[in-house]
Amino acid sequence: NAGVMQNPRHLVRRRGQEARLRCSPMKGHSHVYWYRQLPEEGLKFMVYLQKENIIDESGMPKERFSAEFPKEGPSILRIQQVVRGDSAAYFCASSQDPFRGYTFGSGTRLTVV
Amino acid sequence: KNQVEQSPQSLIILEGKNCTLQCNYTVSPFSNLRWYKQDTGRGPVSLTIMTFSENTKSNGRYTATLDADTKQSSLHITASQLSDSASYICVVTYSGNTPLVFGKGTRLSVIA
Repeated sequence: NAGVMQNPRHLVRRRGQEARLRCSPMKGHSHVYWYRQLPEEGLKFMVYLQKENIIDESGMPKERFSAEFPKEGPSILRIQQVVRGDSAAYFCASSQDPFRGYTFGSGTRLTVV
Repeated sequence: KNQVEQSPQSLIILEGKNCTLQCNYTVSPFSNLRWYKQDTGRGPVSLTIMTFSENTKSNGRYTATLDADTKQSSLHITASQLSDSASYICVVTYSGNTPLVFGKGTRLSVIA
């Protein structure tokens, strides 16, 4: 089991471009969470998905951000028309049972230039 | 407001020494508290998870305590090693499938 796989590890985008971040959860995990970490800050919740459904998106900005977790394939966090303030590390975590434990990926570091 | 406060913000200790990191939370209703270790450039890795009824839990040289009455937790690291240098994050979950509430972490540097 390769753990939670996130790619790319590093992503550079110019202002106005789209950023697409991928997260493949651990085998058997149907719960996926996305978090954002700004420099010197703690991780902030963005969205919680469970196979094809968005369960909680209370941490997602209302515009430009979207997430999906299709029946087949990885979870995708999409940021449209990126701005400098979107530069951060984005972490994905997956779980089989949220009350027991989560496994985090190594993150995608997005830099907007 | 659900918050997790950690102290100190950063800490430098000599290799072989012990240290204690603190976590205070206001998350309610409380479900469980976790301590994670995050190496630079990596995702967080779970060290311990404690429920309401647990006071102490150990994982090797790491010992976590929880006082649910005062809403405080501590992480004690014994005989520190250079590889312990990392951020240690206190994370609290409240009831239901709701998201984790993260502290900002304590940045620990162990020096020779």
